[in-house]
Amino acid sequence: DVKVTQSSRYLVKRTGEKVFLECVQDMDHENMFWYRQDPGLGLRLIYFSYDVKMKEKGDIPEGYSVSREKKERFSLILESASTNQTSMYLCASSPPLQWKTQYFGPGTRLLVL
Amino acid sequence: ELKVEQNPLFLSMQEGKNYTIYCNYSTTSDRLYWYRQDPGKSLESLFVLLSNGAVKQEGRLMASLDTKARLSTLHITAAVHDLSATYFCAVDSLESGTYKYIFGTGTRLKVLA
Repeated sequence: DVKVTQSSRYLVKRTGEKVFLECVQDMDHENMFWYRQDPGLGLRLIYFSYDVKMKEKGDIPEGYSVSREKKERFSLILESASTNQTSMYLCASSPPLQWKTQYFGPGTRLLVL
Repeated sequence: ELKVEQNPLFLSMQEGKNYTIYCNYSTTSDRLYWYRQDPGKSLESLFVLLSNGAVKQEGRLMASLDTKARLSTLHITAAVHDLSATYFCAVDSLESGTYKYIFGTGTRLKVLA
């Protein structure tokens, strides 16, 4: 069974803190994605990676960075958390061919105070 | 710029009724994806439509794709309460050499007993 896990379901951080969100998939997928989901805005792509150590900016990369040192793990880093980064963060993975569905993790709800 | 629009954004319907959710997109992609999200949970894949005229059905849900009109529909037949969820469509394409995977804003469906 396909599985994508995220390190935390809920996280509370203070403004200015460095925040790490981790995502692990066990399906040997090449592609991994980070989205944020906000009411009325749907899902917006932050970054994605199509291979180890490879990354591409999505639609809203500002204020974020990513790391993919191993195929199964994709980390999202908030260098200096701000209140406007309070959101639900969803990780997903997919096989290498473009015409494939994405498999999502359970999400991390981040609150930045 | 690739845009994906869904309507309606909110839908409240009685059990037993039929209704259709629409997904319009702006690019020439032949691939369209439908996902479901239950409150507080992550997204799960419903349908993958890979060509013009594709139709997929699962239970009371049927999805179709018209690539010429750049339109997909998700038809609900004889709605039941268990179908209450938010439904997203998504489209992927190559734009200027960059791979994009864009979600619609979602349709929040509430089925009333």
